[in-house]
Amino acid sequence: NAGVTQTPKFRILKIGQSMTLQCTQDMNHNYMYWYRQDPGMGLKLIYYSVGAGITDKGEVPNGYNVSRSTTEDFPLRLELAAPSQTSVYFCASSYSRSSYNEQFFGPGTRLTVL
Amino acid sequence: GNSVTQMEGPVTLSEEAFLTINCTYTATGYPSLFWYVQYPGEGLQLLLKATKADDKGSNKGFEATYRKETTSFHLEKGSVQVSDSAVYFCALSDNQAGTALIFGKGTTLSVSS
Repeated sequence: NAGVTQTPKFRILKIGQSMTLQCTQDMNHNYMYWYRQDPGMGLKLIYYSVGAGITDKGEVPNGYNVSRSTTEDFPLRLELAAPSQTSVYFCASSYSRSSYNEQFFGPGTRLTVL
Repeated sequence: GNSVTQMEGPVTLSEEAFLTINCTYTATGYPSLFWYVQYPGEGLQLLLKATKADDKGSNKGFEATYRKETTSFHLEKGSVQVSDSAVYFCALSDNQAGTALIFGKGTTLSVSS
C-alpha cells in the first residue's frame, strides 16, 4: 500500500492564482481530512469527508473548497490565493469503523503565496 | 472544548540522554490519545497511542501512559539517538469518526552526538 499520497510537494503561487492540491489514499478509508500546519502551531482542520459525495467544513474552511467524487480522492481547491494561505497542507484518512479515529497522514504540500 | 497542551521546545539533548516531553489535555468523556512524530521534510507518522485510562502505548523505545487522574500523556524514552531528532505532536481524539484530531503545538527535539 502506498498509503496517503499528495501532490505536489512544493508550490509557489502568486496572489490571486488558483490551484488544486491532490490527495489519494489506497486503504479504502471512508473518512478523509485536510489540515493546515502553520509554523510553531499544531494542525487545524480545513475540511473533511465521510464518504464519496459528502463533505463538511472544519475549523478554518474560508478560502478553500473540496470535492469527493470517489473513495480514493479528496482534492483541495484554492480559488484566489492569499498570503495568509502560505502553509503546509496535510491530507489524512481514517477507518470509518475505527472507534479511536486513528488518522493516517500524507507527506504534505508546502505552499507559498507571494 | 477539547484541547492539548504540550511543553514548549526546542528540547536539546545529547545522545543516550533521557527524554520527557510533557503533554496534558482537557476533554469531556474518554478520549484516545496519540503521539505523532514528524521527521524533517516528511509528514506525520503515528508513534504510539493509548485508548483508555492506564493504557501504556509504546513503540521504538518510546512510551507514554494515559493518566486520567492527572489528564496527562507524557512521552518518555530512556536513551535518545540522533535519529530521534524530529517534531513530536501530542494529539487527542474524541473517538468520533469524521472529527478532527486535536493537536498540541509540537515540540522540536534535537539530539547531538
